[in-house]
Amino acid sequence: ETAVFQTPNYHVTQVGNEVSFNCKQTLGHDTMYWYKQDSKKLLKIMFSYNNKQLIVNETVPRRFSPQSSDKAHLNLRIKSVEPEDSAVYLCASSSGGVGNTLYFGEGSRLIVV
Amino acid sequence: GDSVTQTEGLVTLTEGLPVMLNCTYQTIYSNPFLFWYVQHLNESPRLLLKSFTDNKRTEHQGFHATLHKSSSSFHLQKSSAQLSDSALYYCALSNSAGNKLTFGIGTRVLVRP
Repeated sequence: ETAVFQTPNYHVTQVGNEVSFNCKQTLGHDTMYWYKQDSKKLLKIMFSYNNKQLIVNETVPRRFSPQSSDKAHLNLRIKSVEPEDSAVYLCASSSGGVGNTLYFGEGSRLIVV
Repeated sequence: GDSVTQTEGLVTLTEGLPVMLNCTYQTIYSNPFLFWYVQHLNESPRLLLKSFTDNKRTEHQGFHATLHKSSSSFHLQKSSAQLSDSALYYCALSNSAGNKLTFGIGTRVLVRP
């Protein structure tokens, strides 16, 4: 049963456009994440938030900016997309702490043409 | 930084035969937490099993793995593969704060009749 909801599931856009992905979790977790899964299926963390506070910010281009209004929501905005941004963006949540399970959403597939 | 190395590429096997997927890791953290996530086609990754106890076998859904700190390994095994085991398997390592999972490149398993 899905408890991490992402929208949109699929988006096609042109180079230079702005795109936003939304994520909501209903698990009551304190920690949320954005992961990028590229065409080779490599899974790389981009950001993680704990109770609206940014706690992990990997080496990500400046055009990516996360936004969190409360601990249940974490959005991702890409200001000016590039072809290499084509990927599946996976939102996840956990209760935080070492060893806690990540629960992933269904993903938002971005195609940049 | 932390890193995870997995069996690369595609593992093809016949239904009923055993499967073993290799995973080794590197970290300076003395109490690493290791995970196996599985991703079926058109789905998002979900937890298969996890462990932080040295030399203790962990089992779930017919799969098992044992964390061996002496060899920095957490190999995934199953005695008899099923068609439904065809999927992408990720080994992952938690950082000491528990707010970041580092994933291996993933191993695709194809089980044939």
